[in-house]
Order: sequence, then structure tokens, then C-alpha cells
Amino acid sequence: EVLLVESGGGLVQPGGSLRLSCAASGFTFSSYWMSWVRQAPGKGLEWVAIIKQDGSDKYYVGSVKGRFTISRDNAKNSLYLQMNSLRADDTAVYYCARGRGNTAVGGFDIWGHGTMVTVSS
Amino acid sequence: QLVLTQSPSASASLGASVKLTCTLSSGHSNYAIAWHQQQPEKGPRYLMSLNSDGSHSKGDGIPDRFSGSSSGAERYLTISSLQSEDEADYYCQTWGTGIVVFGGGTKLTVL
Repeated sequence: EVLLVESGGGLVQPGGSLRLSCAASGFTFSSYWMSWVRQAPGKGLEWVAIIKQDGSDKYYVGSVKGRFTISRDNAKNSLYLQMNSLRADDTAVYYCARGRGNTAVGGFDIWGHGTMVTVSS
Repeated sequence: QLVLTQSPSASASLGASVKLTCTLSSGHSNYAIAWHQQQPEKGPRYLMSLNSDGSHSKGDGIPDRFSGSSSGAERYLTISSLQSEDEADYYCQTWGTGIVVFGGGTKLTVL
């Protein structure tokens, strides 16, 4: 079974840091673009970051550039999101998603269940 | 600028059909998109990828009731024989070099 399982969410104070993880199974992780997508309470989906199959290319939405870092460990079939300088508007459910494309990320065809991040004092 | 536009809401009766629309911004009418469904209190679920020529590739287990089509800059998701579990938010997604964009989503109510 193809699965993505996120972990690492929780409550953090403004200005704090958190590291999210996504464990992949059931497919050849190193062959796919991977992404983080978030959804603030009551809002729509917002793309956060994507990373190429070998980790050589990484892209971010403007609001997180310089604060968040996406990375992957293909040997461990894992995706990560290091989040620093967190703000209240980063509060959201964070989803890990697989891109079905090859040279470009493509549509996200597998989604995790999400992990909640709450930024509050 | 790459933008996807969706109507905020739609409604249709149980057993009827509904056609949801996702519009690509000017200059991007040849882009492929993906459709996703999000039922209440659940994570998103991939429905299909849809090309500018209307060809589409559905996800595993997606019923035949779900189909896609294209016309110019518009991408459509048609759901036939509506069931109560089709009541959900529907998002379109597209991508370019170094960017991913979601539409604002359409909330579908099954009457």
C-alpha cells in the first residue's frame, strides 16, 4: 500500500521552530518529486515547498522563503520540513504529498493524513 | 502570473450531475491541472490529472462517475449520479517551473 505518514506537529510559540517529518512507503520514494502543502483552519489548500527527486532543486512559496527548509533522505524514504521563525499565520494542517510528474512536479497523487501545527503564545 | 479561479460554491440534487469549472489565467491555457476532493474533516484525495486536450488520468479507485474535460483555459470536473458522499470541497491544482498553484476551491452541496 502506498502511504505517506506525517509527524512532528504541535504547539509552538511565535518565533519558535519545529521539524516535520513524512515517512513514505509502498513506492520508490527516490523517483518522485515531493511537496508540503498546508491548510489553515477553515481555509483552502496552500502549497508550501517542493523538492526534486534527488534533492537538487527546492522551491518555496514566498511567505516561507528564508524561514522554512525542505529536505529529503532517500535512503530513509523520508521528507522533512524545518520551520523556523514561526508566526501565527503559519498555523495550519501540514500535508505531505507526492508529485506524479517526472521533469516537473505534476499533480499530487498521494496525500498524507496531515499534522497540525499551532503557533500561539 | 499563474492563477487558478474556481467558483466558491455549487449545488446539485442527489442523483443529478454537476460540472465544476477551474479557469487558468491568461497565457496559461495550455497547462495541465489536477483535481482533488476533500470531504469534511478529511485530507485531500487525488481525483485526476487533466490535460489541455481533455485527456485525463484518474487516481486509483476513482469511480467512473468522475470525469474531466477541457475547453481553452477552462478545465472541468463532471460528477454524475451524485451521491451524498460527493458533498465535499473540490480543488484544482497546476504547476510550473518552481511553482505550484491551487485554486480557491469549490464547496459542493448535494441537495
